[in-house]
Amino acid sequence: KQEVTQIPAALSVPEGENLVLNCSFTDSAIYNLQWFRQDPGKGLTSLLLIQSSQREQTSGRLNASLDKSSGRSTLYIAASQPGDSATYLCAVRVFSGTYKYIFGTGTRLKVLA
Amino acid sequence: DADVTQTPRNRITKTGKRIMLECSQTKGHDRMYWYRQDPGLGLRLIYYSFDVKDINKGEISDGYSVSRQAQAKFSLSLESAIPNQTALYFCATSDRNSNTEAFFGQGTRLTVV
Repeated sequence: KQEVTQIPAALSVPEGENLVLNCSFTDSAIYNLQWFRQDPGKGLTSLLLIQSSQREQTSGRLNASLDKSSGRSTLYIAASQPGDSATYLCAVRVFSGTYKYIFGTGTRLKVLA
Repeated sequence: DADVTQTPRNRITKTGKRIMLECSQTKGHDRMYWYRQDPGLGLRLIYYSFDVKDINKGEISDGYSVSRQAQAKFSLSLESAIPNQTALYFCATSDRNSNTEAFFGQGTRLTVV
């Protein structure tokens, strides 16, 4: 059974720091991995989608990497800002009878001004 | 307008009441999903639908039912609400291609008292 883990569960950093959020999954048979941002009281906003054949994706200050063989993905946030404060979720798309998304429990990030 | 719209956004209901959460999408996607999010447990799949005639149970379907009224509409019902169904509920869509991203609604915060 695929399990997705995100460490740390919470993180507090001063503004301007570069930071890394981790996502690990137990079964490397994934189709893609998606990073989301969730703001309090709001839905999930897709940040980056990495296909199983890709190693990384970049969008602005965000860079996500994928190492399928080791079951890991990292989300790198450069020059963090208070507006980056949110919960970050990763999800893997797998096939288990049908295509499904399996989510991690998220990392709650607070960037201090 | 949002690609995926959920109504209501917030709801408080009494134990034993029937309640329906609605979801509509403008993405033209075939696939729609209902998830619930609980603190520390991440998002868990309740039901999913691949088209109007295809409804499937997810990992936690007990106590819930769904209806796919049209390609763009997917509703979730709690037949007799109980307090442990208090959670944040999300609707999501994706197309049939295994490599595309998922899009989420803003969420419905449901409280059962």
